Order: sequence, then C-alpha cells, then structure tokens
Amino acid sequence: DAGITQSPRHKVTETGTPVTLRCHQTENHRYMYWYRQDPGHGLRLIHYSYGVKDTDKGEVSDGYSVSRSKTEDFLLTLESATSSQTSVYFCAISTGNEQFFGPGTRLTVL
Amino acid sequence: GESVGLHLPTLSVQEGDNSIINCAYSNSASDYFIWYKQESGKGPQFIIDIRSNMDKRQGQRVTVLLNKTVKHLSLQIAATQPGDSAVYFCAVPRYTGNQFYFGTGTSLTVIP
Repeated sequence: DAGITQSPRHKVTETGTPVTLRCHQTENHRYMYWYRQDPGHGLRLIHYSYGVKDTDKGEVSDGYSVSRSKTEDFLLTLESATSSQTSVYFCAISTGNEQFFGPGTRLTVL
Repeated sequence: GESVGLHLPTLSVQEGDNSIINCAYSNSASDYFIWYKQESGKGPQFIIDIRSNMDKRQGQRVTVLLNKTVKHLSLQIAATQPGDSAVYFCAVPRYTGNQFYFGTGTSLTVIP
C-alpha cells in the first residue's frame, strides 16, 4: 500500500458544510495526488502537489482546494460541499513510473 | 487531447478460463503503460507495466500485450480465479506533473 492512509474512510455531510479529507504517507514521496472516482468515469485528477507548498490544479478542481504544509500530509478541502461532490476520493503518490493509491474515502453530501 | 478507453465495461468468465481485457489509447507518442486492479471498496493496485520498446511482458498469471500500430494493449489473465474478480483499468502517462490518464475500467466477474 506504499504507506498511504486516508482519513476519514467514510463521511456523510450536508450541502454547504466544509469538509477536509486527509492523506498521509510514510515514505517521503515528492508527488501526491487527489482523485475522484465516479461511475462511468475513470479516475479524475482534482489537484496534485509536487512538493511542500507546491500544488497545481487537475482537470476537475472547481470547488476544491488543497494544502501541503508537510511532505507527509496532503489535505483536500471542499469549502462548501455540494451533492455533485458525492464521490469516492483517492489519494495517490508517485514513485516516478508508477502511482500508488490509498484506500479511498467515500463522501456523501446530502 | 489524450484519451484512454477500455472496450468492454463488463466481462464474465468461468473459473479456470483465460480472461482478456482490452484498452485503447490515442497518443502514439505514449511510451509507458500500466494495468491496475481495483477490488470492491479498495484503492487501485498496480499489476504490471510495459514500455513501448516491448510487445509483451509476463508476470505471475498475467501477460500484457502492446500493439503500437493500432494503439492497443491487452491484459491476459491465465486460469482466472474468483480472487481475480475486480475492475481492471489501464493508465498512460501525461508527462505533466507525473500525471496519468486512466481508463474507465472493465469489471471482471469470475463465475465459480
């Protein structure tokens, strides 16, 4: 599992509330990623980070922000959750050639 | 832009038979490909990769074939077992920020 953990693993929240998902890695990888996975779509990149405080947008970044204050932690924040953000969220790290994924967070926005 | 697609969203095979899962890509300059397996409720797991200087690569019970002429790759699973039931998808690098394009996946069901 490349030492990747995500928290929480499941969350139910209401529309308009802020939500923060945490990704933690133990192996000091430079690149970290947040994806969402929805039926009928491949994994879609939300944001990624290429170092502490260095982040960039992916293809579906609207409504999401990220922060990386330490190498091991990459946070994904939904400032005001909407029902369209109901999804399974995966964090990943890159070793250069491959990406390794965390176990996922299932988020439901009511 | 780049796209990655799988040919069949679902595939059912009898236990013990061989499975073949296909993937097509659009960028002829792609030189590296990965197959992932995702079991229900879990994150994607790396299975096998192949570089464009190869046509075939074998792992344990899995073989990936690459046809660069038609931009197609396949994952073959020999003697499919119930534990092989999962979603399989291919990934192709974007070469920007160590990113990948991911296919939508083929859901493999193994019938005992």
